Amino acid sequence: EAGVTQFPSHSVIEKGQTVTLRCDPISGHDNLYWYRRVMGKEIKFLLHFVKESKQDESGMPNNRFLAERTGGTYSTLKVQPAELEDSGVYFCASSHQTGGNTEAFFGQGTRLTVV
Amino acid sequence: QKEVEQNSGPLSVPEGAIASLNCTYSDRGSQSFFWYRQYSGKSPELIMFIYSNGDKEDGRFTAQLNKASQYVSLLIRDSQPSDSATYLCAFSEGYALNFGKGTSLLVTP
Repeated sequence: EAGVTQFPSHSVIEKGQTVTLRCDPISGHDNLYWYRRVMGKEIKFLLHFVKESKQDESGMPNNRFLAERTGGTYSTLKVQPAELEDSGVYFCASSHQTGGNTEAFFGQGTRLTVV
Repeated sequence: QKEVEQNSGPLSVPEGAIASLNCTYSDRGSQSFFWYRQYSGKSPELIMFIYSNGDKEDGRFTAQLNKASQYVSLLIRDSQPSDSATYLCAFSEGYALNFGKGTSLLVTP
């Protein structure tokens, strides 16, 4: 069974450009999460989808970030326009259920560098 | 702001020893706690979760939770060089996880 896959693994873009990150969750997982780790900081929650619906996007930094999950399968996270402080590792995770003891499976992350 | 505190390390232990990783958290309402292991450049993977006070054992790993002290720890018995990684402590806030910065563990042969 394939795990959570993310694409690309690395991206280097210039300030002001647009970047789109993609996440394919484990098949059958309705719950999809985006997290981000900025250098030197802890992994921070960005948002949560249940199928195609956004359940919570309270962690999104600002309106330059747009996440979608059309059809409830894969998800994209677009940053437009990118700023230097957006650099970091963006993780996607998925789970079959929600709740405190539910295991979330993480992808390997996309390392975004904005120069 | 709800926080998870971990010593960043590196924590160095010899092979075969017990590695003890510690974590404190600020939210008294937290119910479930997780330990993730992350190798460099890889995805975090869940080792254990615990939600009741006391100890929970799984193979060489034991998680300990003390809600009164807001403290959770992970013990790794018979440490192996392959255990060298960053260990992330997290608590769940509904469906979202709140992570610490992680502790780097180095097991030396």
